[in-house]
Amino acid sequence: ELKVEQNPLFLSMQEGKNYTIYCNYSTTSDRLYWYRQDPGKSLESLFVLLSNGAVKQEGRLMASLDTKARLSTLHITAAVHDLSATYFCAVDSSDMRFGAGTRLTVKP
Amino acid sequence: NAGVTQTPKFRILKIGQSMTLQCTQDMNHNYMYWYRQDPGMGLKLIYYSVGAGITDKGEVPNGYNVSRSTTEDFPLRLELAAPSQTSVYFCASSYVKNQPQHFGDGTRLSIL
Repeated sequence: ELKVEQNPLFLSMQEGKNYTIYCNYSTTSDRLYWYRQDPGKSLESLFVLLSNGAVKQEGRLMASLDTKARLSTLHITAAVHDLSATYFCAVDSSDMRFGAGTRLTVKP
Repeated sequence: NAGVTQTPKFRILKIGQSMTLQCTQDMNHNYMYWYRQDPGMGLKLIYYSVGAGITDKGEVPNGYNVSRSTTEDFPLRLELAAPSQTSVYFCASSYVKNQPQHFGDGTRLSIL
């Protein structure tokens, strides 16, 4: 059974700092997604990673995928308050499984 | 640009009642999904559909039923509501499997 683990689950950062969120999964897959969710809101797609070594960047966020290690990372560069949200990774194998989410708070 | 529309947005049910959560999309997407999100948790897949007339179970299908008679609509039915089904329900769609899913705004369901 596919398991998806994110860490950390909670992350409090100072503005301007860098940090990485990790997403590990347990079975073979080459389809991994990152979503953002603001409190009380729906999910917004950030990145789709479809092959080993894939790297995508949008603003201060960069996502990568290592299918051999079954690991994806979401790197935050020079965090700003507007990035405060919950970030989910999701892996598509026989069906879609989401991680528990990383609740990010960026403090001034 | 309606996207994925879910109704109702909020609902309170009594134990044992039934109801249908509606989901419609206007993007001509083939794939549609139903998820539930419990407080502080990730999403769990209930059912999904790869096209009209085709549905399949996800991770947590017990207590739910779905149908897909048209490309646009994918209703989720709760037959005998139980407190464990209190959750926020999200409907999502995508054109093909490798594309990101577009999510509706969710239905907050409480069963008392």
